[in-house]
Amino acid sequence: KAGVTQTPRYLIKTRGQQVTLSCSPISGHRSVSWYQQTPGQGLQFLFEYFSETQRNKGNFPGRFSGRQFSNSRSEMNVSTLELGDSALYLCASSRVTDTQYFGPGTRLTVL
Amino acid sequence: AQSVTQLGSHVSVSEGALVLLRCNYSSSVPPYLFWYVQYPNQGLQLLLKYTSAATLVKGINGFEAEFKKSETSFHLTKPSAHMSDAAEYFCAVSPTGTASKLTFGTGTRLQVTL
Repeated sequence: KAGVTQTPRYLIKTRGQQVTLSCSPISGHRSVSWYQQTPGQGLQFLFEYFSETQRNKGNFPGRFSGRQFSNSRSEMNVSTLELGDSALYLCASSRVTDTQYFGPGTRLTVL
Repeated sequence: AQSVTQLGSHVSVSEGALVLLRCNYSSSVPPYLFWYVQYPNQGLQLLLKYTSAATLVKGINGFEAEFKKSETSFHLTKPSAHMSDAAEYFCAVSPTGTASKLTFGTGTRLQVTL
C-alpha cells in the first residue's frame, strides 16, 4: 500500500507570496492532519480535516488555511508569506481515530 | 492542556549499549502516547504507541516503551544500539480516543558511536 505523498517536496517563495501544498493520504484514510516543523518551535499541529470538514485547529493565524476534497486529498495554503513561515510542512493521514502516518514533508523556504 | 517533556536534547551511546530516551507527559486523563523517529530529510515514522492496553509496548526495530502512570512517564528503550538507530526521536501525546492533534516533545537526537 502506498504511503502518504506530499508535493512538491521543496519550494522556494518570496515574502508576500502565497503557496499551496498538496497531500495524498494512504488509501482508505479519511483523516488528514498538517503539522509545521521548525528548529525554533518544533513540531506544531496546524489543522485536521475529516470528510471534507475541518475537525481540529491549532494555534496559527488565519493566513494558514486548508481544505479536503471528496477523495480525501488535502491542500494547505499559506497567504502573505513571512520569513518565519520557512519550515518543513508535514502531512499525516489516519483512519477515523487511529494512528497517524506521516508523509516525507514539503520544505518551504521563504526569501 | 496536554504536554510532553523529553529530557535531553542529545543522547550519545556506543554501538551495542542500552538506549534510553526519556519522555514525561502531562494530562488530566489517560492519554494516547506515541514515539516517532525522524531520519534526516524525511518525515516521521511510527515506532510504537500506547492506547490504554498493555503498559509495556513493543515497537519496530527492537524498541519498546513502558507506560508508568505513577511516574507519568513513557520512556523509550532498546537493549542494544545499532548505528542505524542514529536519528531524532519524538514523543507525542494525543487526547484519549483519538490519535490526531498530536502534541510533540522537543525531540532527542540520538548519536551512536563505534
